[in-house]
Amino acid sequence: QKEVEQDPGPLSVPEGAIVSLNCTYSNSAFQYFMWYRQYSRKGPELLMYTYSSGNKEDGRFTAQVDKSSKYISLFIRDSQPSDSATYLCAMSAQRGSTLGRLYFGRGTQLTVWP
Amino acid sequence: DADVTQTPRNRITKTGKRIMLECSQTKGHDRMYWYRQDPGLGLRLIYYSFDVKDINKGEISDGYSVSRQAQAKFSLSLESAIPNQTALYFCATSDGTSGGFTDTQYFGPGTRLTVL
Repeated sequence: QKEVEQDPGPLSVPEGAIVSLNCTYSNSAFQYFMWYRQYSRKGPELLMYTYSSGNKEDGRFTAQVDKSSKYISLFIRDSQPSDSATYLCAMSAQRGSTLGRLYFGRGTQLTVWP
Repeated sequence: DADVTQTPRNRITKTGKRIMLECSQTKGHDRMYWYRQDPGLGLRLIYYSFDVKDINKGEISDGYSVSRQAQAKFSLSLESAIPNQTALYFCATSDGTSGGFTDTQYFGPGTRLTVL
């Protein structure tokens, strides 16, 4: 079983829709949760970062972590064509040592059509 | 100019050839990483370096080697390329202030390598 599972999609939605992207994980030691966005022919860039459980909001983006279910989500409100990209979740267990290595999901390809 | 650059951007080579992929950064970061990305498998860590004198294997280091020539430069070599090393390769950097891998990692644009 992979450490991090993520449905690769593809996911196609109309402009203005609410998008929900999700990952599940198996390692209960994970505490740091990240979402990266990767545009076509580009490297990933960090979108959001959360620690432990709870929600974090940044503009149209909300990241949620449910450690009891080992489930994280990224919600995009009022989605725009410019949100079309691959979204990768990533997580790690511990700071300050090699145990903090990032584990990435496979990425979900999102297309927002006008 | 981009903060993290990779050369070449695309490379086609034949089985058995030695290939070097280069990464340079102007961010002043101590930490550098090499990943490969395959369709359906996500990003996997090949090697990482927390400073010039520190080199560590990642989860898939077999068949690869690295050299950290300076703080700003980190090269990945395929000693004898094989077709299943066909992938998109990314270099990344981080500043180390948060500790470990939880630092924000900044990725280069990638090198698309095809081994025939």
